[in-house]
Amino acid sequence: GAVVSQHPSWVICKSGTSVKIECRSLDFQATTMFWYRQFPKQSLMLMATSNEGSKATYEQGVEKDKFLINHASLTLSTLTVTSAHPEDSSFYICSARVNSGSLLEEYFGPGTRLTVT
Amino acid sequence: AQSVTQLGSHVSVSEGALVLLRCNYSSSVPPYLFWYVQYPNQGLQLLLKYTSAATLVKGINGFEAEFKKSETSFHLTKPSAHMSDAAEYFCAVSNSGTYKYIFGTGTRLKVLA
Repeated sequence: GAVVSQHPSWVICKSGTSVKIECRSLDFQATTMFWYRQFPKQSLMLMATSNEGSKATYEQGVEKDKFLINHASLTLSTLTVTSAHPEDSSFYICSARVNSGSLLEEYFGPGTRLTVT
Repeated sequence: AQSVTQLGSHVSVSEGALVLLRCNYSSSVPPYLFWYVQYPNQGLQLLLKYTSAATLVKGINGFEAEFKKSETSFHLTKPSAHMSDAAEYFCAVSNSGTYKYIFGTGTRLKVLA
């Protein structure tokens, strides 16, 4: 099956710094990738939809200037958390869509745990 | 608008017993429905999906789910629980229009020896 990787798997950063998380589709091209945020013991919340070569579409309530998304190629999307604060600590998961005949299938990365101190 | 409700944030079953995780959805358009499993500190793994074909869907690891339009339900079942089934399970709904996924709040399955 299709594989999506994330790097790093976990990161600790100091308050006020920025951190970049990479999401790669390893064996397929993904025109669309998604970024989710998951708080402890809660569900996934869609943050934004990332389309290759165009600006990301953010969900309501998500600060686009704080969560910068770049989808530079068909296999790579990055999420940069700028000026991170402790409340940004969370589990960030990306996913990528692939065409499988007439069905779009979504594959999830293993997630990145961000801790801001 | 679409939404998903998972009844029971925690479910405990004995090893070998039937697993039943409930999911009800709301959708104004024909839905696509999914069940995902998440192990600690890992991403989501697709168990099975319904996309308007057969209403009884068989997935991996012995799981299956039945789409019941009249009850707006898509409950997940497994005849015999195994210790390795202990995890968090998420039901999700999407559609052929937006393809955005709306996730339920999850059900944590505990399997007792």
